[in-house]
Amino acid sequence: KQEVTQIPAALSVPEGENLVLNCSFTDSAIYNLQWFRQDPGKGLTSLLLIQSSQREQTSGRLNASLDKSSGRSTLYIAASQPGDSATYLCAPGGGADGLTFGKGTHLIIQP
Amino acid sequence: NAGVTQTPKFQVLKTGQSMTLQCAQDMNHNSMYWYRQDPGMGLRLIYYSASEGTTDKGEVPNGYNVSRLNKREFSLRLESAAPSQTSVYFCASNRGGVQETQYFGPGTRLLVL
Repeated sequence: KQEVTQIPAALSVPEGENLVLNCSFTDSAIYNLQWFRQDPGKGLTSLLLIQSSQREQTSGRLNASLDKSSGRSTLYIAASQPGDSATYLCAPGGGADGLTFGKGTHLIIQP
Repeated sequence: NAGVTQTPKFQVLKTGQSMTLQCAQDMNHNSMYWYRQDPGMGLRLIYYSASEGTTDKGEVPNGYNVSRLNKREFSLRLESAAPSQTSVYFCASNRGGVQETQYFGPGTRLLVL
């Protein structure tokens, strides 16, 4: 069974800092990995999808990397802003039967 | 486009009552999913439907039933609600296949007393 761990569980930093959020998973037989953002009381918004054959994916200030063989992914946020405050969830995908989620990193960016 | 919609947004039930959570998507997606999110547990898959006419159990299916009514709609039914089913329920969809992004609805917050 896939197990997903996200470190740190919570993070509070001043605005402008560059951040790295970590995700590790136990089963490397994945097809892809998604990073999501969840705002309080809201649904999940997909940020980035990395296919298993890719090493990284970029969208604006976000960059996600994937090392499938070692079971690791990182989400890099450049020049953080207060609007980036949210919970970030990592979810490796093993097939058509849905995603396995980590518990998330709760991020607070202080103005 | 509305994307993935869920009704109701919030519901309070008494133990033993039944209810159906509704989910619809307007993106012509083939696959649909139901997850529950509990504090400290993350999201867990309840049931999924890889395509119209098929449904399969996920990680935590006990106490739930699903119906893929048509390509757009995927409902989740609690026949006899229990306090352990107090949770936030999310529906998601994608085009199908293992390479596709999942899109999530806003969630249904359920409280079982």
